[in-house]
Amino acid sequence: QSALTQPASVSGSPGQSITISCTGTSSDVGAYNYVSWYQQHPGKAPKLLIYDVNIRPSGVSYRFSGSKSGNTASLTISGLQAEDEADYFCNSYTTGTIYVFGSGTKVTVL
Amino acid sequence: EVQLLQSGAEVKKPGESLQISCQGSGYSFSNPWIAWVRQVSGKGLEWMAFIYLGASNIGDSTIRYNPSFRGLVTISADKSITSAYLQWSSLRASDTAMYYCALAEHGTAFWHLWGHGTLVTVSS
Repeated sequence: QSALTQPASVSGSPGQSITISCTGTSSDVGAYNYVSWYQQHPGKAPKLLIYDVNIRPSGVSYRFSGSKSGNTASLTISGLQAEDEADYFCNSYTTGTIYVFGSGTKVTVL
Repeated sequence: EVQLLQSGAEVKKPGESLQISCQGSGYSFSNPWIAWVRQVSGKGLEWMAFIYLGASNIGDSTIRYNPSFRGLVTISADKSITSAYLQWSSLRASDTAMYYCALAEHGTAFWHLWGHGTLVTVSS
């Protein structure tokens, strides 16, 4: 099971919006509305940001939003802040090994 | 506080065996799945294995392995204490990594609770 494809890095200035893509196949992202996103700061455990494509858990900032079209899911961070600098991973349910992560994207706030 | 408590860092030699643990506390979890995730330094996240703690008898049908890790590790659990374990019978240098456990409630497809990680270092 290959990892879902994410851009290695995305950057933006404070206040801007950025979007991270997550491309899979018709066996994972395209087949199920079970895409979730995780934020990981250096030396920390991953934190759930979005689940079921576009649902924010309680306590997660409204600046994070998710969407999906076909085999590609996306995470948008609006009003970029310095604290958003971290690694971001998508994850999808799959008929193969149950779940598969994306390759990860490093977000840099300029 | 709701949390997953993981066992401490380990330093082992190649060929040695190891078991690390993950225990849920502070909440009455409803038939959760617990998974183990590997992260090599500077790299991404990889699912290793999943186990369902809600079954009356934990057997093969309630365990899933990422094919990349099948045969290399063994996942087990003690549902009475909401704990899961990951075991190696013979460690290799390439097993050096941070290992996280994560929890998902049965019927959901997201992992909302994560342990702090267990660093395993395998070196001669």
